[in-house]
Amino acid sequence: DSGVTQTPKHLITATGQRVTLRCSPRSGDLSVYWYQQSLDQGLQFLIQYYNGEERAKGNILERFSAQQFPDLHSELNLSSLELGDSALYFCASSLQPLGQKEAFFGQGTRLTVV
Amino acid sequence: GENVEQHPSTLSVQEGDSAVIKCTYSDSASNYFPWYKQELGKGPQLIIDIRSNVGEKKDQRIAVTLNKTAKHFSLHITETQPEDSAVYFCAASKGSSNTGKLIFGQGTTLQVKP
Repeated sequence: DSGVTQTPKHLITATGQRVTLRCSPRSGDLSVYWYQQSLDQGLQFLIQYYNGEERAKGNILERFSAQQFPDLHSELNLSSLELGDSALYFCASSLQPLGQKEAFFGQGTRLTVV
Repeated sequence: GENVEQHPSTLSVQEGDSAVIKCTYSDSASNYFPWYKQELGKGPQLIIDIRSNVGEKKDQRIAVTLNKTAKHFSLHITETQPEDSAVYFCAASKGSSNTGKLIFGQGTTLQVKP
């Protein structure tokens, strides 16, 4: 168990809908990362938050947004869902925002858009 | 841009043999290189990492080597066991940047035959 908790584990929704994925980082970790894993794209960095503030953005669509709350949990909001958004979404956390620090992943949320 | 190439995409070995997975990174500023193991239905699990001031690191049956000049790093698993069967990902990040985001390779599916 990495200590990173993601809910829900599975989510099935229709195209055009909006969903929220939740992540609780390891105790003491201030930085949260979101990654998308699809079959043909591997693990792609979406966005990073550190202590409540956005730190870096990757290949995140405008339909997607995220935030980190004062208790350090984070939510990834996906709207106007398309079939191609079906993927595994992982959250990772680390103590500090910079590189060279271990990042630990949650079990992921499997999103299926039908 | 930032890119990590990983080979091979699949690897099948007999139990007890060694397995080697190779990665090449494009950004010479990268200085942190973790390896993750992902079992079916689970999130990536950090198994070993190496920083650019070190050429080799070992942890029991697992070792990682880094060649900064060639921008190349490798994972070596000795005395493989069936429980080593999983997907392995290499990754790279830049400690000099203000983010610890990871750039991942495409993954290697390792099968260890009993």
